[in-house]
Amino acid sequence: DTAVSQTPKYLVTQMGNDKSIKCEQNLGHDTMYWYKQDSKKFLKIMFSYNNKELIINETVPNRFSPKSPDKAHLNLHINSLELGDSAVYFCASSQGGVGTYNEQFFGPGTRLTVL
Amino acid sequence: RKEVEQDPGPFNVPEGATVAFNCTYSNSASQSFFWYRQDCRKEPKLLMSVYSSGNEDGRFTAQLNRASQYISLLIRDSKLSDSATYLCAVNSWASGTYKYIFGTGTRLKVLA
Repeated sequence: DTAVSQTPKYLVTQMGNDKSIKCEQNLGHDTMYWYKQDSKKFLKIMFSYNNKELIINETVPNRFSPKSPDKAHLNLHINSLELGDSAVYFCASSQGGVGTYNEQFFGPGTRLTVL
Repeated sequence: RKEVEQDPGPFNVPEGATVAFNCTYSNSASQSFFWYRQDCRKEPKLLMSVYSSGNEDGRFTAQLNRASQYISLLIRDSKLSDSATYLCAVNSWASGTYKYIFGTGTRLKVLA
């Protein structure tokens, strides 16, 4: 039973292209996140949605646009891909927002390589 | 100063050894604390939360020192399967919202 799933698992594309990554959670959680983990393994939050509402929008280029059609889905669209966008992107979810002791459940990650 | 800092390691220890990692945080308003484990090319998974009074789960003990603003993870009787990267996470209230901030991780290698 997959709790948090992401597609695709691998994405190789050329600079300048537009791509999307999809995320779905079947845990019934209220909050979903996108993280970026770079080559130095630093895991940094990009966005957080609570019940389809944007809660956290860190300083990321506006080429990155999250979309939450419902609270079980949070997709990430990236326009005009750049070399520096190459990283692993993790989707995560938690119950009740980034509260006191809410565990985050991560998807398996999408490894994006921009050539 | 980074908001959450960890020694990247690697810590190379023999099987059966005891090893400890620290993680320092800069925001004194931090509310909750966690240790996650991340295996190579996998997603992070929660290892344990860190409570004020300290807590233990089998061979793993987590402690919080609010005065010095750090958390620690102690692993006793290390197993080969403990080899992984251990990420600390700190949940802080800042700019009107809670934010989950991860450290860069400490890499552990348990050697046979």
